Amino acid sequence: QQQVKQSPQSLIVQKGGISIINCAYENTAFDYFPWYQQFPGKGPALLIAIRPDVSEKKEGRFTISFNKSAKQFSLHIMDSQPGDSATYFCAASMGGDDKIIFGKGTRLHILP
Amino acid sequence: DARVTQTPRHKVTEMGQEVTMRCQPILGHNTVFWYRQTMMQGLELLAYFRNRAPLDDSGMPKDRFSAEMPDATLATLKIQPSEPRDSAVYFCASRDRVPGELFFGEGSRLTVL
Repeated sequence: QQQVKQSPQSLIVQKGGISIINCAYENTAFDYFPWYQQFPGKGPALLIAIRPDVSEKKEGRFTISFNKSAKQFSLHIMDSQPGDSATYFCAASMGGDDKIIFGKGTRLHILP
Repeated sequence: DARVTQTPRHKVTEMGQEVTMRCQPILGHNTVFWYRQTMMQGLELLAYFRNRAPLDDSGMPKDRFSAEMPDATLATLKIQPSEPRDSAVYFCASRDRVPGELFFGEGSRLTVL
């Protein structure tokens, strides 16, 4: 119930294409869903986050789509660029709880 | 600019040796986390502190791992004795509110031979 399942494990996308990473959760008490981006040799950094009271959040080329009934959320990267090549983690936490549960990550490679 | 600082960045040691990793959280952040990252398991939460008090260390192997926060500017993660399966990147992260952005350090890459 505490898991966040992320797919795919790795993804290769052509420059200019759309990258899509999916996550699913079981615990309906989760109410905060962040995505973190990690470059090689660095720690993860917050990219974008969403709460379940909205179905979509967009920041620049990055969009989170949220489906509360299906207990799924996804990250879309529009016009993917080589600089987007990184590992992406979805995560979830529940109100008042310090713990953030991370998915296992997706290694994204954008072909130039 | 404010950031989480971890030392050492890299550590190679032999099985059985003691390893201590240190973390300086962002000033003013009251919650500090230790995560371990491996290819197989991703990011695993080992332990975390709020206001220097340990709240959850259920992710840590109790017999060999210990985490402490001797003061608000220092968190430590100790492994004694170390084993090859402990080889991983260990991250410290801090946060000032719930929910909120976790700020990660650059990690300590541990290799146990």
